[in-house]
Amino acid sequence: GQNIDQPTEMTATEGAIVQINCTYQTSGFNGLFWYQQHAGEAPTFLSYNVLDGLEEKGRFSSFLSRSKGYSYLLLKELQMKDSASYLCAVSGNDMRFGAGTRLTVKP
Amino acid sequence: DAGVTQSPTHLIKTRGQQVTLRCSPKSGHDTVSWYQQALGQGPQFIFQYYEEEERQRGNFPDRFSGHQFPNYSSELNVNALLLGDSALYLCASSLEVGQNPYEQYFGPGTRLTVT
Repeated sequence: GQNIDQPTEMTATEGAIVQINCTYQTSGFNGLFWYQQHAGEAPTFLSYNVLDGLEEKGRFSSFLSRSKGYSYLLLKELQMKDSASYLCAVSGNDMRFGAGTRLTVKP
Repeated sequence: DAGVTQSPTHLIKTRGQQVTLRCSPKSGHDTVSWYQQALGQGPQFIFQYYEEEERQRGNFPDRFSGHQFPNYSSELNVNALLLGDSALYLCASSLEVGQNPYEQYFGPGTRLTVT
């Protein structure tokens, strides 16, 4: 079957580093996406990985291992505004999203 | 440059009724996807339109239908509404790059409540 799994909730401290993991099993693979979604708002695009390895963009980095069906989103120098849900999504035969990881950043 | 816009923002309907939601893509985008997002869940893919044709479809019944117009705007129609159709409906647009959408921009969504 097709499945995308990520932790439901995570908590971290302001200024710290947090890693959000995502594992997937999908039919077809055209790329993996990470989105940020604040409560009551639409998702906003963070990153896209189609090849194995690490993609870095400012404080956010995303890693992909296609053979393991695994990705992670790394957030550095956490800020209070980073408190949000982080959605892992895979483009395959269709676009499939995980349920999201709700990150709470505490002072 | 306007991003993705959706209308209406909120909508309340009665079970059994029909509803039409509208989406205008980001300027320059030609592909529109629709998603249903229940509270506390990730978006569920409904379908995608490109060149006025439904190109991909998720696991949704035929009560969910759509349309794309020559100006790339799109409509989502849901017939015979059920209580379980209550959700946030998101529209996302992208620019066709080869066979795969690269980066989708989401609209603010339409909050549908079925009573």
